[in-house]
Amino acid sequence: DTEVTQTPKHLVMGMTNKKSLKCEQHMGHRAMYWYKQKAKKPPELMFVYSYEKLSINESVPSRFSPECPNSSLLNLHLHALQPEDSALYLCASSQVGFLEAFFGQGTRLTVV
Amino acid sequence: SQQGEEDPQALSIQEGENATMNCSYKTSINNLQWYRQNSGRGLVHLILIRSNEREKHSGRLRVTLDTSKKSSSLLITASRAADTASYFCATGNYGQNFVFGPGTRLSVLP
Repeated sequence: DTEVTQTPKHLVMGMTNKKSLKCEQHMGHRAMYWYKQKAKKPPELMFVYSYEKLSINESVPSRFSPECPNSSLLNLHLHALQPEDSALYLCASSQVGFLEAFFGQGTRLTVV
Repeated sequence: SQQGEEDPQALSIQEGENATMNCSYKTSINNLQWYRQNSGRGLVHLILIRSNEREKHSGRLRVTLDTSKKSSSLLITASRAADTASYFCATGNYGQNFVFGPGTRLSVLP
């Protein structure tokens, strides 16, 4: 199984809502990533988990809160987002280190 | 942080032609990777070339790496309409985490 599964595929939320994005992989990868991508731009790294511990936070606002409950799951909790946070959110996993990453299909988030 | 920079930013070619994309980066690397992204979907890993390799092939893909010039190129031979996508290079060192360059948007016209 070489899939990274992200749910939901689409999400519309108001600025006062709380929602969560979920990501799951069963490849035994111990590094998991969240990226944010705006249209016609490259993915921007947000968070990296290595061995279930947060290893990199790229100065992401606190309204985004990551969580890695176990080695297969990665969540991104969203609260009080702004319209400019609307984007494609991508999850990826890999072996620890800069190696081939497997990406999910993303969650298209719209903040209204 | 390290970052690849691709050029050209956009490329249109006819089916059957070859497409070449370039990537430059700023600092030393352990390896360099190329990814493809179809519109609005996840990225797909294409090829990884290690810093001690100069050239690598995978099917219709050929990647070169010149560490002295801090640059890499991706060649797609005999392009097909299905190759239409954005292509990104990613650079990094072990223990750090990779970031993507701005990408090349390739259009292959039938």
